[in-house]
Amino acid sequence: DVKVTQSSRYLVKRTGEKVFLECVQDMDHENMFWYRQDPGLGLRLIYFSYDVKMKEKGDIPEGYSVSREKKERFSLILESASTNQTSMYLCASYTGPEGYTFGSGTRLTVV
Amino acid sequence: DAKTTQPNSMESNEEEPVHLPCNHSTISGTDYIHWYRQLPSQGPEYVIHGLTSNVNNRMASLAIAEDRKSSTLILHRATLRDAAVYYCILRRGGNEKLTFGTGTRLTIIP
Repeated sequence: DVKVTQSSRYLVKRTGEKVFLECVQDMDHENMFWYRQDPGLGLRLIYFSYDVKMKEKGDIPEGYSVSREKKERFSLILESASTNQTSMYLCASYTGPEGYTFGSGTRLTVV
Repeated sequence: DAKTTQPNSMESNEEEPVHLPCNHSTISGTDYIHWYRQLPSQGPEYVIHGLTSNVNNRMASLAIAEDRKSSTLILHRATLRDAAVYYCILRRGGNEKLTFGTGTRLTIIP
């Protein structure tokens, strides 16, 4: 089975801090995605990457950047965390016709 | 992207079949119909997908209307572990992006 691992389950950061959320997949997949999930809004796509060093903006990229230096790792970066970035962050890897395998999520609280 | 419409919530009794509806009236010929579910405190997980024909797997069945403007996810015998939010999503063939709506929250009554 494909495994997508997010490094932290819960994270608390201060406003203005630089925050790194890490995601690793173990199946050599090319396409990886970052979503955030908020009550009443469902999952919204932040960024995705279809290969090493390649990235594309999703629907809500403002305030975020990403890094894909190795195929298995896709990092989401909050350059200067703000309270409105408090959310559940979900990483996913594209596995083929069935679609995605998701990680368990990182619940980030910015205080 | 073509949109889907699902009821916000549904309830079903344990050990009974559950039919979760989804409308997608603007579906195009190359759009696949995907279903995912999200259990509490977990990321979404794949359930089933199809293009035109009905599909069965160990988790569920997918019934697709002849005109493809609607589909139904069928859980044949609901258990308490099936309580989750179920998402119906259209994915354009050749496009790896999935756009999630807010889904249907399924409650199973013991």
